[in-house]
Amino acid sequence: SQQGEEDPQALSIQEGENATMNCSYKTSINNLQWYRQNSGRGLVHLILIRSNEREKHSGRLRVTLDTSKKSSSLLITASRAADTASYFCATDGLHSNYQLIWGAGTKLIIKP
Amino acid sequence: EAQVTQNPRYLITVTGKKLTVTCSQNMNHEYMSWYRQDPGLGLRQIYYSMNVEVTDKGDVPEGYKVSRKEKRNFPLILESPSPNQTSLYFCASSLAPGGGEAFFGQGTRLTVV
Repeated sequence: SQQGEEDPQALSIQEGENATMNCSYKTSINNLQWYRQNSGRGLVHLILIRSNEREKHSGRLRVTLDTSKKSSSLLITASRAADTASYFCATDGLHSNYQLIWGAGTKLIIKP
Repeated sequence: EAQVTQNPRYLITVTGKKLTVTCSQNMNHEYMSWYRQDPGLGLRQIYYSMNVEVTDKGDVPEGYKVSRKEKRNFPLILESPSPNQTSLYFCASSLAPGGGEAFFGQGTRLTVV
């Protein structure tokens, strides 16, 4: 069952600009993760944020989590052409029977 | 190198011809799962396994079987493939279910004609 919903579905920006993607979910969670997928390839884990955390950084990535709004955002600063990919959020719900629930993804295009 | 290996990467088959997609991980992970990815639908879980000999249905298990006889291997079996099973399939493993980073295989693009 779909829980996470990414917004926007697609985003096109110039290289060097910041990219922000949002994820909303429906039920209480243990943690939320962000993954990147290059075209047709396997997903790669970017960052995990736990339900008791509000913000996390990893290199050019910044993730925020607002459990009261059931939403998260992924910010990529100083974007590069290599950041072109689809980005997915996945939630580990409190009552999800150990399943990660995935959104449909945001397709990010970085124009040189 | 820590990895999840799926084979084959590409497969074209005919309706009804049984096939197996293999998945192997070298990280001693207990949790493994299979997903299918279709345009606009994101990742949908087919089956998962918490440990050897422990498997359970995900969201879309119809038409699929799995087995977990060894910790490292988690094959996906399509006994009688149909065209609606044409999709991109991913195997994933993690140390704990949902609680940490999931490692994905490179994917198997299956076409059933």
